[in-house]
Amino acid sequence: RKEVEQDPGPFNVPEGATVAFNCTYSNSASQSFFWYRQDCRKEPKLLMSVYSSGNEDGRFTAQLNRASQYISLLIRDSKLSDSATYLCVVTGNNDMRFGAGTRLTVKP
Amino acid sequence: GAGVSQSPSNKVTEKGKDVELRCDPISGHTALYWYRQSLGQGLEFLIYFQGNSAPDKSGLPSDRFSAERTGGSVSTLTIQRTQQEDSAVYLCASSPQTGGAGQPQHFGDGTRLSIL
Repeated sequence: RKEVEQDPGPFNVPEGATVAFNCTYSNSASQSFFWYRQDCRKEPKLLMSVYSSGNEDGRFTAQLNRASQYISLLIRDSKLSDSATYLCVVTGNNDMRFGAGTRLTVKP
Repeated sequence: GAGVSQSPSNKVTEKGKDVELRCDPISGHTALYWYRQSLGQGLEFLIYFQGNSAPDKSGLPSDRFSAERTGGSVSTLTIQRTQQEDSAVYLCASSPQTGGAGQPQHFGDGTRLSIL
């Protein structure tokens, strides 16, 4: 079993739609959580951290459920520019593990 | 300021040759990671260095792959006797530390490796 698992998608949604991604992790001792965004043929870039109480950054909302060991990312009012692959990232004491990513395509 | 620097940006070589990929992390970053990303795939963890600790090599796909980090700074990923399945983008990332503070990683632009 992979340490971090994501639905690979692709998710194809129209502009303005709300879309949600989930990510599960296997290590209950994991300490920090992030969502990264990766555009085609580019390196991953940090999108937002994920805090226990949940956090919001504009149209993006991240949530963490430690009991069930999953994190989520919600994108509201999606834009064409949101098209990318979204990577879930989980850290422990000594390492940082990436999910394989969920591909999102927002269409006009 | 300077980010993570990788070289070469592109490398084309014949099957069976050895290749060396270089990563120069952000100054002061103690953690350094190597990842591989094949076409259309997610990131595959290869190896992790943290300070002077023994590296975590659990992601290296075979004994043809090795990596060093000299003086806690520059790292070199070496692939011996390259195979066509080694063709991928090799990404290096660094962070100030890992674990409790959970610092996010800063990525280089990657080395695109093509094995003919």
